[in-house]
Amino acid sequence: DTGVSQDPRHKITKRGQNVTFRCDPISEHNRLYWYRQTLGQGPEFLTYFQNEAQLEKSRLLSDRFSAERPKGSFSTLEIQRTEQGDSAMYLCASSLGGRVTDTQYFGPGTRLTVL
Amino acid sequence: TQLLEQSPQFLSIQEGENLTVYCNSSSVFSSLQWYRQEPGEGPVLLVTVVTGGEVKKLKRLTFQFGDARKDSSLHITAAQPGDTGLYLCAGGRLYTGNQFYFGTGTSLTVIP
Repeated sequence: DTGVSQDPRHKITKRGQNVTFRCDPISEHNRLYWYRQTLGQGPEFLTYFQNEAQLEKSRLLSDRFSAERPKGSFSTLEIQRTEQGDSAMYLCASSLGGRVTDTQYFGPGTRLTVL
Repeated sequence: TQLLEQSPQFLSIQEGENLTVYCNSSSVFSSLQWYRQEPGEGPVLLVTVVTGGEVKKLKRLTFQFGDARKDSSLHITAAQPGDTGLYLCAGGRLYTGNQFYFGTGTSLTVIP
């Protein structure tokens, strides 16, 4: 297994366009997390899934953001009507269980630039 | 607003020097994790501490969890250029749905 993968690694879009990112977690991991990280800051929690169920969403996740994990495997994060403030690194992480001591394994991230 | 504040925000030192990074909060955490992140990559876990007062060592890195589980420190002995990176602490809180709250980050540069 090669770890958590994310696609694309970089995305440049114009303001107002929709974008979709994909995350493929480690195969046996049932927890999947999305974070957003701006330059020089720590990641901020957006949402997480336990298998296919989306259990929690941050207030940072506005109505323009939607995440899915339809079969409990890969996940997608869609941003509609992008704004310049959406420019950030979007990180995906997965873990085997839901304990706070479980290790989260992060993907390389998708760098979004909104022009 | 991030629950965990790290200090210093930036640190530039000479190879061979020692340093300490602090991670502070007014909230109690069930666990505290330290990550290192390289530019353009995701964070990589270094250590997890769960017991108040716990000390863990990873080669030249020493991690400590505060007695009250509100703060933590990372001490690096004889820093090397390979230690350069963004160091992040992250606290886990069981009663908020197992969310992890990341600190503000400390950018370390070790000059050869």
